[in-house]
Amino acid sequence: NAGVTQTPKFQVLKTGQSMTLQCAQDMNHNSMYWYRQDPGMGLRLIYYSASEGTTDKGEVPNGYNVSRLNKREFSLRLESAAPSQTSVYFCASSEAWSGGPFWGNEQFFGPGTRLTVL
Amino acid sequence: AQSVTQPDIHITVSEGASLELRCNYSYGATPYLFWYVQSPGQGLQLLLKYFSGDTLVQGIKGFEAEFKRSQSSFNLRKPSVHWSDAAEYFCAVGNQAGTALIFGKGTTLSVSS
Repeated sequence: NAGVTQTPKFQVLKTGQSMTLQCAQDMNHNSMYWYRQDPGMGLRLIYYSASEGTTDKGEVPNGYNVSRLNKREFSLRLESAAPSQTSVYFCASSEAWSGGPFWGNEQFFGPGTRLTVL
Repeated sequence: AQSVTQPDIHITVSEGASLELRCNYSYGATPYLFWYVQSPGQGLQLLLKYFSGDTLVQGIKGFEAEFKRSQSSFNLRKPSVHWSDAAEYFCAVGNQAGTALIFGKGTTLSVSS
């Protein structure tokens, strides 16, 4: 089991460039998430996907789009990168919690993508 | 709005000493609370969680946390810290909509020899 994998690990972009961050999980989880982590800010949710075929905005969705390609994969796209999007991006997944909110189960995190926008 | 506050940005503890990391939350109903740890260059790992029942929760790596409703707190403790515990620790609460976790800003733990 690889768990949650993310590609790339590092990326440098110029302002205005686009890119897609890839995330895949092999735990057969229903729910997947994208967070960004900035110094002194903790983790903030960008988008989440409660189940295959659904996506919803989190706390900081502006400037991002997501695609839940299938149950395994959840990608994050920056259409026109800005310096404010310089951050470490984490993907996570969790199993649905029977009888309650789906975040009730442990979220498993990937190793992160460190993105710099110049 | 729900929120999580971790008052200590950085704590240094001697190896073998006890540890307490503070977490306060703002939430109207019974909260669902979590502690995660992030080692340098790694993703987050769940240490423990509280949903209901016994207010003292045991987790992995010898950590425990106590839920105190009257103080809106969920402090993390360990009786004897090891050098390998040096990491960043995040407290989180499940949001009211049941859709996501709200994280605190984290506390960095350094362990001195």
